[in-house]
Amino acid sequence: GAVVSQHPSWVICKSGTSVKIECRSLDFQATTMFWYRQFPKQSLMLMATSNEGSKATYEQGVEKDKFLINHASLTLSTLTVTSAHPEDSSFYICSAPTLAPTYQETQYFGPGTRLLVL
Amino acid sequence: DAKTTQPNSMESNEEEPVHLPCNHSTISGTDYIHWYRQLPSQGPEYVIHGLTSNVNNRMASLAIAEDRKSSTLILHRATLRDAAVYYCILIPSISNFGNEKLTFGTGTRLTIIP
Repeated sequence: GAVVSQHPSWVICKSGTSVKIECRSLDFQATTMFWYRQFPKQSLMLMATSNEGSKATYEQGVEKDKFLINHASLTLSTLTVTSAHPEDSSFYICSAPTLAPTYQETQYFGPGTRLLVL
Repeated sequence: DAKTTQPNSMESNEEEPVHLPCNHSTISGTDYIHWYRQLPSQGPEYVIHGLTSNVNNRMASLAIAEDRKSSTLILHRATLRDAAVYYCILIPSISNFGNEKLTFGTGTRLTIIP
């Protein structure tokens, strides 16, 4: 299937610092990418929809000024957690759909980024 | 949005078939039934999807009830690598499946016993 990568795979930071997570579609272009958050033993919760060349759309209850999303190209979306606090510690996962005829019409997920804020 | 109900957990012996149920009694006529799974510490991956007829692919089979109010994901011969959380998700057919926001329920945590 299509490949979506995330970087870094894990990160530890101090409270109050900002952390940037990258999501890349390696072998296809994605005008839309999705960002999810998953706390331990819980399900994935959609945070926002990232749109190439335009502003992201945030789900209700997600602070857009805290979780900055930039979709600067057709293969890269970034999520920046600003002024991170321990409660932001979570597993962040991105996904991207593809219409490429060689791939199943579905969403392809990245491997996730585990964030620990001390 | 139509909701799905799955058992929280299931266990199965290695190399035996596994039947994972999903109830979706409020499914609309245009909703497709999708299954994703999430291996430990990884992002989810697509497994299979269908509308009315049973579907087979190299990963699994999907059996859909005649009234479409329930479905069953079938792993024909479970291996240890199939241990994961399995999610049953409904997606309207008017959508491009890939562009649709996915709503993940709690899923079924499948444990494979060696």
